[in-house]
Amino acid sequence: ETGVTQTPRHLVMGMTNKKSLKCEQHLGHNAMYWYKQSAKKPLELMFVYNFKEQTENNSVPSRFSPECPNSSHLFLHLHTLQPEDSALYLCASSKWDSGEKLFFGSGTQLSVL
Amino acid sequence: AQTVTQSQPEMSVQEAETVTLSCTYDTSESDYYLFWYKQPPSRQMILVIRQEAYKQQNATENRFSVNFQKAAKSFSLKISDSQLGDAAMYFCAYFRDDKIIFGKGTRLHILP
Repeated sequence: ETGVTQTPRHLVMGMTNKKSLKCEQHLGHNAMYWYKQSAKKPLELMFVYNFKEQTENNSVPSRFSPECPNSSHLFLHLHTLQPEDSALYLCASSKWDSGEKLFFGSGTQLSVL
Repeated sequence: AQTVTQSQPEMSVQEAETVTLSCTYDTSESDYYLFWYKQPPSRQMILVIRQEAYKQQNATENRFSVNFQKAAKSFSLKISDSQLGDAAMYFCAYFRDDKIIFGKGTRLHILP
């Protein structure tokens, strides 16, 4: 248990659905991240939040919409996804700009039909 | 832009033997951090070892050690006395400016 909790663990959705992924940490970290892990590709950084402010949007399509209401919670809202968006979505947190390690959640395995 | 390259998609090692996983990276910076993460079938990303670029001494954590060659931009991971529980995907990662960039990973098989 790393202290970073992601829900749901698995999600199957149609291309017209709207769903949200949730990430929660109570480690006192002030930076939170969304990564996408696809087969045979490196982990792709999607979004970075520092003290609730988005500091990185790595050219992610607008069908992915992040939300960080406070430094402990991070959401990824999904709408009108494509089958190629099927992947493992990992949330992580850390102390901002400290070089300390990222603590990862167990991920949400997303399948888009 | 920084890149991280792991040239070995898969490796196998006999239990109790030693194995070295390779990683190279590209950066123009002098101050950064390097990590090795392990991802077992449970999908949980677990930090194996961390190296600060300004430290010349190679980091070690029990059976895990690194060979950090800053000039060559190389950061290999050595696993001694391999155990069945070491079987996993191993990712090399570079950290600077609040971003961690990962390599594609090396899948390590442990042969009993």
